[in-house]
Amino acid sequence: DIQMTQTTSSLSASLGDRVTISCRASQDISNYLNWYQQKPDGTVKLLIYYTSRLHSGVPSRFSGSGSGTDYSLTISNLEQEDIATYFCQQGNTLWTFGGGTKLEIK
Amino acid sequence: QVQLQQSGPELVKPGALVKISCKASGYTFTSYDINWVKQRPGQGLEWIGWIYPGDGSTKYNEKFKGKATLTADKSSSTAYMQLSSLTSENSAVYFCARSSTGFDYWGQGTTLTVSS
Repeated sequence: DIQMTQTTSSLSASLGDRVTISCRASQDISNYLNWYQQKPDGTVKLLIYYTSRLHSGVPSRFSGSGSGTDYSLTISNLEQEDIATYFCQQGNTLWTFGGGTKLEIK
Repeated sequence: QVQLQQSGPELVKPGALVKISCKASGYTFTSYDINWVKQRPGQGLEWIGWIYPGDGSTKYNEKFKGKATLTADKSSSTAYMQLSSLTSENSAVYFCARSSTGFDYWGQGTTLTVSS
């Protein structure tokens, strides 16, 4: 089974900051890496698929990068509405999620 | 627009079974997998399995084999997940999600509480 690790479980940043959230796979996942946002009310949305492709309607301040086993999600110019928990997910072999990174305002 | 509408919260006794529904609209139901995901309070997301409504084929996370059964009704564009022999460990929020390029649309979640 492929394990996904988000080593930072919580992160505090200021409005307007550039924030990077990391995710590591236990083996090469060939860029089959997606990012999700879960708001405090529980709703979940797809942000980025296949490492760096922005899902429809997602603001351009969100971007993704990475390869092999290491991936990251970057939010440039942090806004209040970005307060949420972010999960990575591999789709190379079935589906596995990371543990999540909770983003808070400093 | 694509929508996945899940059934309401459930309170069931240990040892019982429950069936949660996920009604799809706004797209061709038979053309995309429906996945189910578990989230325990304050925890991460766990993939349970998928069903392809087009032919009823399924794939399960090994951990949930024997616990979850996925079905789909093409006539009503509704996917179902049945959970059996319930224990407190099954208390969680359960989401359905369509998969295309990732899980591109999610239901609102169904809260299951297992308690006597």
